[in-house]
Amino acid sequence: EADIYQTPRYLVIGTGKKITLECSQTMGHDKMYWYQQDPGMELHLIHYSYGVNSTEKGDLSSESTVSRIRTEHFPLTLESARPSHTSQYLCASNFKTDTQYFGPGTRLTVL
Amino acid sequence: RKEVEQDPGPFNVPEGATVAFNCTYSNSASQSFFWYRQDCRKEPKLLMSVYSSGNEDGRFTAQLNRASQYISLLIRDSKLSDSATYLCVVKDSSASKIIFGSGTRLSIRP
Repeated sequence: EADIYQTPRYLVIGTGKKITLECSQTMGHDKMYWYQQDPGMELHLIHYSYGVNSTEKGDLSSESTVSRIRTEHFPLTLESARPSHTSQYLCASNFKTDTQYFGPGTRLTVL
Repeated sequence: RKEVEQDPGPFNVPEGATVAFNCTYSNSASQSFFWYRQDCRKEPKLLMSVYSSGNEDGRFTAQLNRASQYISLLIRDSKLSDSATYLCVVKDSSASKIIFGSGTRLSIRP
């Protein structure tokens, strides 16, 4: 099992709230990623980081922001949640082998 | 055209059947290839890496055809537990990106 954790696992929140999805890994991986995935649909890369203080936007435009102050931690923040943000958010990480390990995901519902 | 393309399926096959998936990629400079498995409402998990010489892991065989730019996954003697979505993954070494296909859904029936 991969040592990558996401909290919360499920979140139901009202429109306009600020939320932060947490992702941590204890494998010392330098690369970390956030994906968004709707049920039965494909993964979309929304943010990635190749190391501390490095963050880039992914292929899918997202209103979320990320930070990478520590190697093991890659939180994602939505300043003002909207119903269109309802989705599953998956965090992943990898090192030189390129095998990506995924966290269990956060299911976000914005009412 | 997508960088990584897969037949979305669903493939609905009886238990014990052999099933094969193909995946095509557009970037000839791609270096690393993988198959992931994703169960319903779960995170993707690595099934196997794909090597140039082809590789086998039990009932699963993965092959790479660089000339035609496709990779394949063969599942023999399929089990009910093989029902899942299979994701083709390609690493674009020049851009250092990992690109996921949209997945092929497989359903094994008793």
